[in-house]
Amino acid sequence: QLVLTQSPSASASLGASVKLTCTLSSGHSSYTIAWHQQQPEKGPRYLMKVNSDGTHTKGDGIPDRFSGSSSGPERYLTISSLQSEDEADYYCQTWGTAGVFGGGTKLTVL
Amino acid sequence: EVQLVESGGGLVKSGESLRLSCAGSGFIFTDAWMGWVRQAPGKGLEWVGRIKSKTDGETREYAETVKGRFIISRDDSENTVYLQVNSLKTEDTAVYYCITYSSKSAYWGLGTLVTVSS
Repeated sequence: QLVLTQSPSASASLGASVKLTCTLSSGHSSYTIAWHQQQPEKGPRYLMKVNSDGTHTKGDGIPDRFSGSSSGPERYLTISSLQSEDEADYYCQTWGTAGVFGGGTKLTVL
Repeated sequence: EVQLVESGGGLVKSGESLRLSCAGSGFIFTDAWMGWVRQAPGKGLEWVGRIKSKTDGETREYAETVKGRFIISRDDSENTVYLQVNSLKTEDTAVYYCITYSSKSAYWGLGTLVTVSS
């Protein structure tokens, strides 16, 4: 069964970098995933998709501070030069196959 | 600019039905795979289902939690996808979002709130 696992929370200081992780369940390490951001009281926004080879394709208007990478079954979202508006929930989702979401990571910017 | 606008949400009683709509613009709707995602209050995102384009067979897929109660359909002449939600339960209370994917991106609507009272 395809499952995406995310840590429930993460925190980092203003101006610092943070790396969020989405782990694909066993047997699914080749899957492409998408990252979505949901700021407080707003709808979700697509950030990027990340392939198993680490390449990523960002959505329109997504700043260069956001990047994606991969290692085995793990897909990463790295946010550099953290800003206050980056405080949000971040969800990963399978791409292409019938959708599965991770539980989300709540990012706090200190 | 891609836009998705959901409508049709509201307050209903347990056991009742609703039809949610999502009107798309700014992209070639007939080629698009359209999906629905919901978010219960204070909870994470939950995939509800999707419908492929007519060219790809208009195949429908559903989450196990809604299979048999929810039906997704599309009207390409109106650039609209629908979510028929039947036999509603209090646990179906959520904001329902429409989503579409291109080869490189994904686009979300702003959502419509469905509240199911007992």
